Amino acid sequence: AQSVTQPDIHITVSEGASLELRCNYSYGATPYLFWYVQSPGQGLQLLLKYFSGDTLVQGIKGFEAEFKRSQSSFNLRKPSVHWSDAAEYFCAVAAMEYGNKLVFGAGTILRVKS
Amino acid sequence: DTAVSQTPKYLVTQMGNDKSIKCEQNLGHDTMYWYKQDSKKFLKIMFSYNNKELIINETVPNRFSPKSPDKAHLNLHINSLELGDSAVYFCASSQPGTKNEQFFGPGTRLTVL
Repeated sequence: AQSVTQPDIHITVSEGASLELRCNYSYGATPYLFWYVQSPGQGLQLLLKYFSGDTLVQGIKGFEAEFKRSQSSFNLRKPSVHWSDAAEYFCAVAAMEYGNKLVFGAGTILRVKS
Repeated sequence: DTAVSQTPKYLVTQMGNDKSIKCEQNLGHDTMYWYKQDSKKFLKIMFSYNNKELIINETVPNRFSPKSPDKAHLNLHINSLELGDSAVYFCASSQPGTKNEQFFGPGTRLTVL
């Protein structure tokens, strides 16, 4: 069965520092992978997605993610974090053979200290 | 202008009541979904409809009944509400052939007292 693991429940970084949020997936076929961000009390906003091709994908707000098939990973990165990046981040894989449902990780809460 | 909208945004009700949450999308998508986000922020699919036909029905109590009057709407009706139903419910939509990029509504926070 498909699954997504986000090993870090909380991460705290200083403003201006770099960021990497980890995501590992389990899926038998070629995965379609996504990162969503949820600010407190808000809905889910798509940051970026990977379908195929270039394994380094660029997203909104200066985020990027790298797909590594050998490690079953899709880590999210940002070179310099801003205070407004504080939010919860969800990694997800699309299970195409199960009606295209998204299977989400448990989320990583990002705190930014000034 | 809103792509995926949900009403109401907040819903507070007593145990045992019946309530509905409405979802509408103006993106022209064929597929719509309901997800539940529990108190620990874990997101899980509940239902999916493609062009008014049910295609995903996860292990959800039959007190929950989705209804799709047309492909732009997917409503969620909940009978005999229980404390454990308290959660945020998200509606989403996608278009087949776009590799399942899903667009989410703002969520409905349901509180059962």
